[in-house]
Amino acid sequence: EAQVTQNPRYLITVTGKKLTVTCSQNMNHEYMSWYRQDPGLGLRQIYYSMNVEVTDKGDVPEGYKVSRKEKRNFPLILESPSPNQTSLYFCASSFKGAGYEQYFGPGTRLTVT
Amino acid sequence: GENVEQHPSTLSVQEGDSAVIKCTYSDSASNYFPWYKQELGKGPQLIIDIRSNVGEKKDQRIAVTLNKTAKHFSLHITETQPEDSAVYFCAARKGGSEKLVFGKGTKLTVNP
Repeated sequence: EAQVTQNPRYLITVTGKKLTVTCSQNMNHEYMSWYRQDPGLGLRQIYYSMNVEVTDKGDVPEGYKVSRKEKRNFPLILESPSPNQTSLYFCASSFKGAGYEQYFGPGTRLTVT
Repeated sequence: GENVEQHPSTLSVQEGDSAVIKCTYSDSASNYFPWYKQELGKGPQLIIDIRSNVGEKKDQRIAVTLNKTAKHFSLHITETQPEDSAVYFCAARKGGSEKLVFGKGTKLTVNP
């Protein structure tokens, strides 16, 4: 089944404790992206990647890191999480870029206390 | 950068009625406009999209119209059904950019 998977689905952590949210797709897509969803703010793009070793900032990259060492994986790293990073995070992938249908993962709900 | 405004933020209709959601964008270089539907507890899913070289696109009960001059595009859902209840997001992608900018979403409720 073609899908985007994220882990963990739920995470409660404390300020400053480094964490990684994994994202994997099995569709051989070139483009992958991370979004955060907050009430009243919609979906905002954090980072995106056009291919292996090619990443770029979205609109809200502060406090996040990403890497793309393999085509199928695009982990999101929070080196020192803060409470304002409490949010619902979605990973997405598409065939070839932002101008194509994006397939979203099920989401990761992160709470930073 | 691109800015996408979406209205209304909530919309309640009776089953069988039509629903219209409108979005405006700021960058005239934007050329791709998708609409996503998000059901409770799930990730968004594409329902229809339109490119800047087309004025209208239809898929069964769903249609999208684009007015490039006014920089706005709209989602039209006819003969609404309770399963259409969800949050709908519009988005815009600037030509030459790989960023996708979303509107803030519209919560549609279809009352039986």
